[in-house]
Amino acid sequence: AQSVTQLDSQVPVFEEAPVELRCNYSSSVSVYLFWYVQYPNQGLQLLLKYLSGSTLVKGINGFEAEFNKSQTSFHLRKPSVHISDTAEYFCAVSRNTGKLIFGQGTTLQVKP
Amino acid sequence: GAVVSQHPSWVICKSGTSVKIECRSLDFQATTMFWYRQFPKQSLMLMATSNEGSKATYEQGVEKDKFLINHASLTLSTLTVTSAHPEDSSFYICSASPTGGSPLHFGNGTRLTVT
Repeated sequence: AQSVTQLDSQVPVFEEAPVELRCNYSSSVSVYLFWYVQYPNQGLQLLLKYLSGSTLVKGINGFEAEFNKSQTSFHLRKPSVHISDTAEYFCAVSRNTGKLIFGQGTTLQVKP
Repeated sequence: GAVVSQHPSWVICKSGTSVKIECRSLDFQATTMFWYRQFPKQSLMLMATSNEGSKATYEQGVEKDKFLINHASLTLSTLTVTSAHPEDSSFYICSASPTGGSPLHFGNGTRLTVT
């Protein structure tokens, strides 16, 4: 079985500062990894995904994530955040069965 | 790009009534759709996998007789919450996969409030 742990429930950060949202996963088989963003009362928007190949994945809105197999991590980063990045962020894994297992979510609070 | 439409976006119903939520893939055929439930300030929990033309597969702990799923066409899946109770109040989100693999497209969710 797979599981996902997002280590921080809330991350406050000032505008234009860098941010890292941490995600660790557990799986006995190879998985695909995803980061999604959710704005209040809305569905999920895919930020980026790792399927194979380069371990550094670039996504939308200036986000990137690095897959680290040895540390079973897939941390999300952005070098300079904006107020509009305030949202809930979810890390997820999939074995390509189509079922996503989500982490608990991290609330990113960008302060002016 | 691909879009998944979910309707209604919010609904209020009385306890004991049933509510139907629709999930449509607008520009692709979705052989597989997924239904998630999200309580306030919590993560998404997979409820069931809906496959076109066959019975849905429910996750452990999800009552299949209470949450009826129908996937009668390649572009539409419906979730019916039967005999709703206040504890069923939640945010329900669907996702659809054009290839049967990992879902990449989510609906905007349905906020259900049972009074």
